[in-house]
Order: sequence, then structure tokens, then C-alpha cells
Amino acid sequence: DSGVTQTPKHLITATGQRVTLRCSPRSGDLSVYWYQQSLDQGLQFLIQYYNGEERAKGNILERFSAQQFPDLHSELNLSSLELGDSALYFCASSVGALVYNEQFFGPGTRLTVL
Amino acid sequence: DQQVKQNSPSLSVQEGRISILNCDYTNSMFDYFLWYKKYPAEGPTFLISISSIKDKNEDGRFTVFLNKSAKHLSLHIVPSQPGDSAVYFCAASAYGNQFYFGTGTSLTVIP
Repeated sequence: DSGVTQTPKHLITATGQRVTLRCSPRSGDLSVYWYQQSLDQGLQFLIQYYNGEERAKGNILERFSAQQFPDLHSELNLSSLELGDSALYFCASSVGALVYNEQFFGPGTRLTVL
Repeated sequence: DQQVKQNSPSLSVQEGRISILNCDYTNSMFDYFLWYKKYPAEGPTFLISISSIKDKNEDGRFTVFLNKSAKHLSLHIVPSQPGDSAVYFCAASAYGNQFYFGTGTSLTVIP
């Protein structure tokens, strides 16, 4: 158990819909990262928050947005969903802002868009 | 644009033998590399890292080798154990920024 929790574990929805994925980091961790893993793909970095502020942005679509709340949990919002958004979405947390700090991953949320 | 590549989707090794997992990268600015291990239905877990100032890093049965001129990274597991069966991802970063991950190699260690 990494100490990072993600809800829900599974999500099935239809094209055009909007969903929210939630992540609670390990106690004491200030950074939260979001990754997407599509079929036969590696993990693609989406976005990082550090202590409530956006720190880095990767290959995140404009239809996607995220935020980190004062209690440090984070939410990833996916809107106008398309079939290609079906993937595993991982959240990771770390103590510091730089990637040299070990990232601890949650178990992921599997999103299926029908 | 895949900057980190793992060209072998799968690998099978007998228990007790050496497992060698390979990773190639294209960006010469990458200065920090690591390997993650992932079991089904779990998130990846950190295994071992190496910075570009080194060419080798060991941690127990796991050794990572870095060949900067060839832009090549490898993970050696000796001896391999059935519990090592998992998907292994390599990842690289430049200047402490985002990680770029490979597509993973599924290792099966046969008892």
C-alpha cells in the first residue's frame, strides 16, 4: 500500500460526458502528479501540482483540468469525453516539487468511455 | 514522439538466471533515469534510479547501467525470482522536470 488513494477504481461513462477523478496523497506529501496510461502505451505525464499551485504541465488536453485543494487532495476533471480517453489514470504524490523525490503511485482509476 | 523506448514488450527468464531489460532514449538532455515495477491492479512502484554522472547503480539483486553515448539504459536482475514477474517501466527526466516513460516490458520468471 503506497498510501495514495484514488477513487473511484472503475468508471464507465458515455461519450460527451464529464467525470471527476479524485486523489488523496500520502500524508505529508505536497506534490500530486497525474498520469494517463492508454492501451499499449507508457505512462503519459499530464500535470503536477505542488502545495496547491500548478507546477508543471505535460500532454494534458484542453478538455482536461485539475486542481489541488487546501487539504492537498487533487481532482482531475475530464470533459466532453471521447472513446480515446479510455485509459488508466494514475495519481502519484511526493514530498517535494522536483522529480528527484520518489513518487508514490495510487492504484489507478480505470475509465471506460462507451 | 516517444522519447523513451522499450522495444521488447515481453521477456521470459528461468528462475535463478539473469533478466536484462533494455531501454533507449533520444533526448541527450536527460540526466536522471529510473525504473518502476508494476504488478496487475496496482500502481507502479519505484525500483532503482541513476543519474547521468554515474554509469552504474546497484541495489541488491538489481543493477542499472547507463551508456550515455549510446543513449541506452538497462536493468539487470540477478538472480531472477518468480516474484519479479511484473511489468517494468523505464523513465527519464531532464533538469528535474517531468518524467517520460517507456511503454513497459512484461517480465515472466519461470519457476
